[in-house]
Amino acid sequence: DVKVTQSSRYLVKRTGEKVFLECVQDMDHENMFWYRQDPGLGLRLIYFSYDVKMKEKGDIPEGYSVSREKKERFSLILESASTNQTSMYLCASSSLSEKLFFGSGTQLSVL
Amino acid sequence: AQRVTQPEKLLSVFKGAPVELKCNYSYSGSPELFWYVQYSRQRLQLLLRHISRESIKGFTADLNKGETSFHLKKPFAQEEDSAMYYCALAYSSASKIIFGSGTRLSIRP
Repeated sequence: DVKVTQSSRYLVKRTGEKVFLECVQDMDHENMFWYRQDPGLGLRLIYFSYDVKMKEKGDIPEGYSVSREKKERFSLILESASTNQTSMYLCASSSLSEKLFFGSGTQLSVL
Repeated sequence: AQRVTQPEKLLSVFKGAPVELKCNYSYSGSPELFWYVQYSRQRLQLLLRHISRESIKGFTADLNKGETSFHLKKPFAQEEDSAMYYCALAYSSASKIIFGSGTRLSIRP
């Protein structure tokens, strides 16, 4: 079974802190994604990566950056956390044009 | 711009009744559409995709390009169908995938 592992289940940070969310997949997938999940808004794509060091902005990239130095790892960075970035963050991976496999999510609270 | 619209935030039906969850999309190219489901305390997982044209857990979905819709249907709802359902669209050669806002399906006994 494909495993997509997110490093933290719950995270509490203060406004202005730099935050790193880590995601690792074990199936050699080319594509990796970061979404945020908010009630009533569904899943919104922040960034995705289709290869090592390659990335594309999603619908809501402002305030976020990403890093993919190795194929299996995709990091989401909040340069200066703000309260409106309190959310559930979901990482996913897929092979080309195939289904997404999701991590269990990181609930981030920014105080 | 590409978009997925799920007009219903909540759908509540009785057990045994038919279910239809609506999904409309906007995309000028050839779409690839999916339904994902999230049961309570579980990860999001694929329910079905239009390419495979299969029925999963009694659910089916037909792509209607004329109406740009991909509605999810089940003839007889079961209590275990209660979950959050998301419609998703894959596009571009790198398979960028976007989701709708989701519909919470609640099955009453």
